[in-house]
Amino acid sequence: QKEVEQNSGPLSVPEGAIASLNCTYSDRGSQSFFWYRQYSGKSPELIMFIYSNGDKEDGRFTAQLNKASQYVSLLIRDSQPSDSATYLCAVHLRATNKLIFGTGTLLAVQP
Amino acid sequence: DTAVSQTPKYLVTQMGNDKSIKCEQNLGHDTMYWYKQDSKKFLKIMFSYNNKELIINETVPNRFSPKSPDKAHLNLHINSLELGDSAVYFCASSNGGVSYNEQFFGPGTRLTVL
Repeated sequence: QKEVEQNSGPLSVPEGAIASLNCTYSDRGSQSFFWYRQYSGKSPELIMFIYSNGDKEDGRFTAQLNKASQYVSLLIRDSQPSDSATYLCAVHLRATNKLIFGTGTLLAVQP
Repeated sequence: DTAVSQTPKYLVTQMGNDKSIKCEQNLGHDTMYWYKQDSKKFLKIMFSYNNKELIINETVPNRFSPKSPDKAHLNLHINSLELGDSAVYFCASSNGGVSYNEQFFGPGTRLTVL
C-alpha cells in the first residue's frame, strides 16, 4: 500500500462545476495535510493545508479531512479553465517526519 | 524578488559526467530540501537540511551529495550521472520542520542525461 494515494485522472469537469479531488493515506498518526497545485512545467505551490477533522474553506477551495477514514479531499467550486493543473496531496508522516506526496491528480476544466 | 532560486534551469549532459545544481532562498527560512520529480510526476524527498545540519537523508545513491554552506544555500552534486537520474529536481525551503509549515519550491532544474 502506497503511503499517499491519489487517482491520477485526468478528471474532466465543465467550467463552473465543482471539482472533487481525493487522497487517502496509510499512516494513521499523520497530523498535517497539504494540497499543492502544479501547472505543467512549473513548481508546486501550496493551495491549502488542514490539521483538524472537518472542513476548511478558503475562497473557492474547501479542504476536507476525515482522520478516522484516513481521507482528505479538495473541493474547487465554480471551476475555471485556469484551475487546470495537477493537484498534489501531501501528508506529513509523523513516523518519519517527512512530507510524502501523492502522484497527483490531473484536473482539466473544460470551457 | 525570487524567493527560492535554482541554477541552472536546464542541464543536459552525458552519462558518467559530474554536475552540480545550486539553490538559494531569501526567505530567511531555516530548513531546505531537495526533491526529485520523475516523468510520472512523483515528487520524492531526497535530502533535508536544518540550519546546515542534515536531518533527512533518503535512500539515494551515494553519487548524490548535498552541501549546505549556510542556511540560505543548499547545493546538490551528482557524480557519475546515469540515465535514470534524468528528472526535474526541486529545491524547497520552509520555516521550521515539515509538519506544520508550508514549503516554498524553487522553479526546478530539468536534468537530462544522454
